Amino acid sequence: EDQVTQSPEALRLQEGESSSLNCSYTVSGLRGLFWYRQDPGKGPEFLFTLYSAGEEKEKERLKATLTKKESFLHITAPKPEDSATYLCAVRPRGTSYGKLTFGQGTILTVHP
Amino acid sequence: DGGITQSPKYLFRKEGQNVTLSCEQNLNHDAMYWYRQDPGQGLRLIYYSQIVNDFQKGDIAEGYSVSREKKESFPLTVTSAQKNPTAFYLCASRGLTGSTNSYNEQFFGPGTRLTVL
Repeated sequence: EDQVTQSPEALRLQEGESSSLNCSYTVSGLRGLFWYRQDPGKGPEFLFTLYSAGEEKEKERLKATLTKKESFLHITAPKPEDSATYLCAVRPRGTSYGKLTFGQGTILTVHP
Repeated sequence: DGGITQSPKYLFRKEGQNVTLSCEQNLNHDAMYWYRQDPGQGLRLIYYSQIVNDFQKGDIAEGYSVSREKKESFPLTVTSAQKNPTAFYLCASRGLTGSTNSYNEQFFGPGTRLTVL
């Protein structure tokens, strides 16, 4: 069974304190790994897609990396506006219609 | 502007009542999805549709029904058979975005919060 586990469940940082969020996955072949940002009461906002081990993508203070078993979302010098829930999802090979399996999310709070 | 709209933003249901959540997209996407989100849990797939007049059950379809009569619309009905419907409901769509390997991303609407009274 495909599984996605995110850690930690919650992370509190001071402004400027860099850190990483983890997404561990178990799938029968990976077709894509996705990161989303979700603000309270809103729909998830797409951030990155990673397809193969060793791949990295960056957007402002965020950088996503991928290995064969996990992905990291690195946050460099975070600001309070980076506070949100970060969701990780995988699309296993052979799944129909682009079905995704999501982790439970990491709630990030950045204090000024 | 292209995007996905969901309505209403808040919905209240009485016991034994069916309610329908609207999802519309003008992105010309082929695939559409409905997810349910509960506190502390990941998104769980209710139904999905790849083309008009075709849809498939997801992981938690019991107590829900959908239709796909138009490419841009994918309404979800929460029936009285769904015993614990209070949740945040998210609609998503997916299609070709014009760049290599960009076919996979799902884009989400703003959500509908359903509460049972």
